[in-house]
Amino acid sequence: DQQVKQNSPSLSVQEGRISILNCDYTNSMFDYFLWYKKYPAEGPTFLISISSIKDKNEDGRFTVFLNKSAKHLSLHIVPSQPGDSAVYFCAASPNNNAGNMLTFGGGTRLMVKP
Amino acid sequence: DAGVTQSPTHLIKTRGQQVTLRCSPKSGHDTVSWYQQALGQGPQFIFQYYEEEERQRGNFPDRFSGHQFPNYSSELNVNALLLGDSALYLCASSLFGTGGAPPQHFGDGTRLSIL
Repeated sequence: DQQVKQNSPSLSVQEGRISILNCDYTNSMFDYFLWYKKYPAEGPTFLISISSIKDKNEDGRFTVFLNKSAKHLSLHIVPSQPGDSAVYFCAASPNNNAGNMLTFGGGTRLMVKP
Repeated sequence: DAGVTQSPTHLIKTRGQQVTLRCSPKSGHDTVSWYQQALGQGPQFIFQYYEEEERQRGNFPDRFSGHQFPNYSSELNVNALLLGDSALYLCASSLFGTGGAPPQHFGDGTRLSIL
């Protein structure tokens, strides 16, 4: 029973264009959502987060959108750069307490072509 | 400022053996969580330690156990290893009770292979 799903295992985008990564969740108790980026042989690194009281959060080239009624969130990267090529995981938590267990999706491998 | 460190980086064991993985949290953090990442999947929560006690546990059997020491470092022990235990084991640290960013910080993991 996957509570967090990333239905696209991979995505290929041209440098300079927009990358859109999607994530769906089923558990209504989730109230806080995060995106992590993972390079090979490294641990996941935090990218951006959003609380359910918001529908959008921006940080530089990265924007996360949350549609709570649809239980859907997306990460937009504009413009995409070759260095953005990595596996992206969305994760969910019952609240924004940093110590809470995170429930992760299966990941989307983003490839940005020069 | 040292981040989360894990040891060893790689480990090869055979079925039925026991293994211990180690984690030192980021400086200033007091909570350690362990995750298992199987190939091609996202990390799955195993358990969390705070104040030397297991506070939360995911859907993992009792073969998985842990410990936290007074200096906040932690160990993950797995007994009676199965082929399915082959995975990347990630340790994440955080400061208990803090809200918002920065969230959990992850180490680079220990790659465990079971033959």
